[in-house]
Amino acid sequence: AQTVTQSQPEMSVQEAETVTLSCTYDTSENNYYLFWYKQPPSRQMILVIRQEAYKQQNATENRFSVNFQKAAKSFSLKISDSQLGDTAMYFCAFMKRSNFGNEKLTFGTGTRLTIIP
Amino acid sequence: DARVTQTPRHKVTEMGQEVTMRCQPILGHNTVFWYRQTMMQGLELLAYFRNRAPLDDSGMPKDRFSAEMPDATLATLKIQPSEPRDSAVYFCASGLVPTGKGNQPQHFGDGTRLSIL
Repeated sequence: AQTVTQSQPEMSVQEAETVTLSCTYDTSENNYYLFWYKQPPSRQMILVIRQEAYKQQNATENRFSVNFQKAAKSFSLKISDSQLGDTAMYFCAFMKRSNFGNEKLTFGTGTRLTIIP
Repeated sequence: DARVTQTPRHKVTEMGQEVTMRCQPILGHNTVFWYRQTMMQGLELLAYFRNRAPLDDSGMPKDRFSAEMPDATLATLKIQPSEPRDSAVYFCASGLVPTGKGNQPQHFGDGTRLSIL
């Protein structure tokens, strides 16, 4: 079974600053995906970024980037030039790779991020 | 953009009543998931289907919960009888058959907020 740990229940940062959210995971799988999802107060689950475990290059999406350390089983999210709209709950999630279809997501407990004007 | 549609968005009912939540996955997606979100347990998988066949419902209390996919365009989650501890947000998500780019992220519906009085 997989476990995902987010050790920062809450964080806050000034607008325009950079913030890093931590995530560690445990698995015996070799082929898998890691995700960061954002959940604003509207409660939608919005995909922020995705990393494939076999890719050494860290994924980036505009202001969002990850630091993926496979050996350490660490997957942190960096948000640059933070904006008020980034205020949300952020979930780290694990999914093993499958040739047949999506597998279940295992989520961390989340980090509540507040961007201060 | 194609979306996962969940109904109802909100449901308030009394303990002991039957509750039915519905989900229309994205057309062409072959895997459908039900997740539950609570403050205490976070996001947890209840059940999922691939090509309409149940794959894993180990997260679901079998005595009162049931999940079905009567056809490819509809998934249902029923609770009978409902209890106050079932109060939560229930998310449906769907996933695409793997492509040459591997597994694609799951798409989430907006959730059903269920309150059992």
